[in-house]
Amino acid sequence: DQQVKQNSPSLSVQEGRISILNCDYTNSMFDYFLWYKKYPAEGPTFLISISSIKDKNEDGRFTVFLNKSAKHLSLHIVPSQPGDSAVYFCAARNSGNTPLVFGKGTRLSVIA
Amino acid sequence: KAGVTQTPRYLIKTRGQQVTLSCSPISGHRSVSWYQQTPGQGLQFLFEYFSETQRNKGNFPGRFSGRQFSNSRSEMNVSTLELGDSALYLCASSYSGSGTDTQYFGPGTRLTVL
Repeated sequence: DQQVKQNSPSLSVQEGRISILNCDYTNSMFDYFLWYKKYPAEGPTFLISISSIKDKNEDGRFTVFLNKSAKHLSLHIVPSQPGDSAVYFCAARNSGNTPLVFGKGTRLSVIA
Repeated sequence: KAGVTQTPRYLIKTRGQQVTLSCSPISGHRSVSWYQQTPGQGLQFLFEYFSETQRNKGNFPGRFSGRQFSNSRSEMNVSTLELGDSALYLCASSYSGSGTDTQYFGPGTRLTVL
């Protein structure tokens, strides 16, 4: 049973436009959510996180939105740059000593 | 601060052999988690160690084991290797491994089983 789902395996966006990556979760106990970016042959790099007490968190070009009622979160990248081309993983956990649960990732290609 | 380091970066083994991978966490971090990444499967949680104790375990067979030392460095071992064990093995460290604590990943060890 996949608790964190990223339904789009890939996404192509033109440079300068907005990239929107989506993530759905099924476990209502999840209350902390993270996005990681991964380049080939490297480990995932932490991007941004959000707690369930918020519905939006912003860090530079990256904004994460959380819709708890829909069990949905999204990552917005504005403006998109070619260096953003990578695989993006959504992850979730509940507070306490529980492991992160990851989605399968979305490959973002930003075209110049 | 130095990041999470993993050794070796690449490894080739044959079926039936065993392998040990090593992870050195960020200084001060006491939680170390291990993940397996295979194409199309995302990151699958193997286990987590905190203060030398296994605190969480994923759904992997007993051939996968690990340990953590008093300096928080961790090793994972896979015995009787199978072709399906070929994957990128990632280690992540965090201060406490709980709540809103962020995990930071190492570069991974690419294991190929022939």
